[in-house]
Amino acid sequence: QSALAQPASVSGSPGQSITLSCTGTSSDIGTYNYVSWYQQYPGKAPKLLIYGVNSRPSEVSDRFSGSKSGNTASLTISGLQAGDEADYYCSSYRNSNTWVFGGGTKLTVL
Amino acid sequence: EVQLVESGGALIQPGGSLRLSCAASGFNVRSHYMSWVRQAPGKGLEWVSIIHSGGTTYYADSVRGRFTISKDNSKNTIYLQMNSLRAEDTAVYFCARGWELEFDPRGQGTLVTVPS
Repeated sequence: QSALAQPASVSGSPGQSITLSCTGTSSDIGTYNYVSWYQQYPGKAPKLLIYGVNSRPSEVSDRFSGSKSGNTASLTISGLQAGDEADYYCSSYRNSNTWVFGGGTKLTVL
Repeated sequence: EVQLVESGGALIQPGGSLRLSCAASGFNVRSHYMSWVRQAPGKGLEWVSIIHSGGTTYYADSVRGRFTISKDNSKNTIYLQMNSLRAEDTAVYFCARGWELEFDPRGQGTLVTVPS
């Protein structure tokens, strides 16, 4: 069960907008809208940021937004802040009642 | 408020067995999909298993036949029975709610260590 593809690292400056990508296949992202995004700090459990491609839990800042095109999902963070420096993961439902995660992207705020 | 508390992790020899627990509060596990997700040291997240509200279960290829997910609705708790443990099962194990895989960000998971 191969993982979804995410860039290993990205960086941005405070105030900037940045987009993280998550590439799958027609067996997951390309067919299903069960895409979620998570933020994880070291030693902590992941926090759900986006679900259903572009829905946001009420407690999550509207600086975070999600989208999908074809086999690729994206997470956009606007107004980048120092506190956004963390690891970000995507997940998707995949055929046959399984779920798959991306390998994660380490976001550095310069 | 959703709360998930994982427990049961330990240092266990290869081939051994262990049962993890995830106590939920703030919602009823009977009404939700519940999953186990693990994270090997310094690595990314890996989906392990899911139990549907009706009790149907599914597993990742890496654990199928060795791990069993179950739940006790009366205790609002899900379990992961892990048998024939291998070094590559070493990880922090988290539980998550729903198809969204919503974790409790206040949690720290439970660590399973299987030495090589």
